[in-house]
Amino acid sequence: GAGVSQSPSNKVTEKGKDVELRCDPISGHTALYWYRQSLGQGLEFLIYFQGNSAPDKSGLPSDRFSAERTGGSVSTLTIQRTQQEDSAVYLCASSYRQGGSSGANVLTFGAGSRLTVL
Amino acid sequence: KQEVTQIPAALSVPEGENLVLNCSFTDSAIYNLQWFRQDPGKGLTSLLLIQSSQREQTSGRLNASLDKSSGRSTLYIAASQPGDSATYLCAVNQAGTALIFGKGTTLSVSS
Repeated sequence: GAGVSQSPSNKVTEKGKDVELRCDPISGHTALYWYRQSLGQGLEFLIYFQGNSAPDKSGLPSDRFSAERTGGSVSTLTIQRTQQEDSAVYLCASSYRQGGSSGANVLTFGAGSRLTVL
Repeated sequence: KQEVTQIPAALSVPEGENLVLNCSFTDSAIYNLQWFRQDPGKGLTSLLLIQSSQREQTSGRLNASLDKSSGRSTLYIAASQPGDSATYLCAVNQAGTALIFGKGTTLSVSS
């Protein structure tokens, strides 16, 4: 697609429920990132995928968080047994590849999914 | 561990002023540094990317500089306009990690 698409744009859920957030990256981008932005905070890295390599999960805050990327394209971030502190905007970004000293790693961000846990 | 700091956290200026946003980072071993703009309720838009070998990049009224050895970057906005009101984020790219972001500077330009 022309840009990074995220859905839903807004999600309100009750504490303890599971949620799934979807990211559809730009076609041809091999690197995909998930970040979390809480009110008044900077962007917190969660996980990134690069091609067929094992994902870097070092930023996931707990084992309630998981993500997968099917067919090297669409990614789903799943939060199990949601807590109120999970409320945030979840941003997805993609690039041609990760790292390296070239313009190929310029990130394009989606508009985000705003999660509110009551 | 890389840390990125942005000063000031918020800035209010009248229309027409030139202004400078600051970004500092603790580990100078970076590939590049990016400046982003974020409007309320929206995603991030990349403004400028400076490679580690470069000193500055310009786009329209925006000029970003990089002093890698001292761990500093500045974003200069000339002749500010109300439409420039947004949060500006800097992020560094280095080996083995995803982009590391500062917390941003929220700019308000009044007409």
